[in-house]
Amino acid sequence: AQTVTQSQPEMSVQEAETVTLSCTYDTSENNYYLFWYKQPPSRQMILVIRQEAYKQQNATENRFSVNFQKAAKSFSLKISDSQLGDTAMYFCAFAGTYKYIFGTGTRLKVLA
Amino acid sequence: NAGVTQTPKFRILKIGQSMTLQCTQDMNHNYMYWYRQDPGMGLKLIYYSVGAGITDKGEVPNGYNVSRSTTEDFPLRLELAAPSQTSVYFCASSYRTVPESNYGYTFGSGTRLTVV
Repeated sequence: AQTVTQSQPEMSVQEAETVTLSCTYDTSENNYYLFWYKQPPSRQMILVIRQEAYKQQNATENRFSVNFQKAAKSFSLKISDSQLGDTAMYFCAFAGTYKYIFGTGTRLKVLA
Repeated sequence: NAGVTQTPKFRILKIGQSMTLQCTQDMNHNYMYWYRQDPGMGLKLIYYSVGAGITDKGEVPNGYNVSRSTTEDFPLRLELAAPSQTSVYFCASSYRTVPESNYGYTFGSGTRLTVV
């Protein structure tokens, strides 16, 4: 069965610093997608970044990048130059052929 | 372009009452979903739909019903509300193609439901 594990319930980072959020998953599928979503205090879920499993190149969106290690089933999110507006819950998600599974989230607080 | 619109944003129900959570999307997405988010937890899938007229159960469908008569609308019906249904409910939509390609979800802003 597919699972998604986020082992860091809470993290904090100083403004302008870099932080990495961890995510591991388990699947027997070969073609799938991985996502990071951000949920700020407003509650709105926002897609941050998307990775296709068949692409070796790590996805990047401005200050957000991923380290995708397919063999290790690891999908971490790196936030560079952290900003106060990055304070939010971050959810890792796996999308396979039949399943779309969310992790339990990491609460990130950016400190001024 | 409104995206995914959910109403209401907040609601308090008494045990045994019924209600419908509305969800509309204007992006012509074929897939639509209902999730619930309990405190400190991730999202659990209640129901989903791959197109108008087609719905299927997710992980936690008991106590809920859905319909999808149009591409745009995917209402969630709660019958005989129970305290265990106190949660935040999210509607989402996505565009998925064959062969499989997944562009991620667009979420509504959520409905906070309290059953007392």
